[in-house]
Amino acid sequence: AQKITQTQPGMFVQEKEAVTLDCTYDTSDQSYGLFWYKQPSSGEMIFLIYQGSYDEQNATEGRYSLNFQKARKSANLVISASQLGDSAMYFCAMREGVGGSQGNLIFGKGTKLSVKP
Amino acid sequence: DGGITQSPKYLFRKEGQNVTLSCEQNLNHDAMYWYRQDPGQGLRLIYYSQIVNDFQKGDIAEGYSVSREKKESFPLTVTSAQKNPTAFYLCASSIGTGAYEQYFGPGTRLTVT
Repeated sequence: AQKITQTQPGMFVQEKEAVTLDCTYDTSDQSYGLFWYKQPSSGEMIFLIYQGSYDEQNATEGRYSLNFQKARKSANLVISASQLGDSAMYFCAMREGVGGSQGNLIFGKGTKLSVKP
Repeated sequence: DGGITQSPKYLFRKEGQNVTLSCEQNLNHDAMYWYRQDPGQGLRLIYYSQIVNDFQKGDIAEGYSVSREKKESFPLTVTSAQKNPTAFYLCASSIGTGAYEQYFGPGTRLTVT
């Protein structure tokens, strides 16, 4: 079974509007971390935002926020006021366990976001 | 400028040849990672290293080898045993293997014909 599921292969959003990219995860660990990365067409992976499983508040970083619903095992990324430069692939990732764990990330298959002018 | 460098950006090899991809970081990070990305897919972990002279297999280590002789460097060798080596390879590093984000290099696109 997939550990990270991103159900939207592609999304379109109008410039200046907000968009939500979905991510659900599967783990039996109590302690885990959730990450979102952006991959432009050039290929590098850019870290956007992190949410720990014990964090009570939803994480925010500038125009990015993470809508964390622990009971539903979802960690959706919300991008506010979309810009043309936001057009890219977006990957949700999870690290199971914290401290002494392997530390490697498990990635979803990604969502391609296209921002329309 | 601190960061991760991977060279070259594009690499072409003939089938049956081993090829080594370089990854260097000057972030003073202890942990380093190698991922493979195929078209339309997420990243899959090949190998990772938590500290110098130590490394562990990831999910798809068969046909690959690594070394970690220096903190700054984590080269990946794609051997002739790797059945489908054409892919995009990304190197990453992090402060440790706890709840830390990983910083990625620009990647190397390997084509084997």
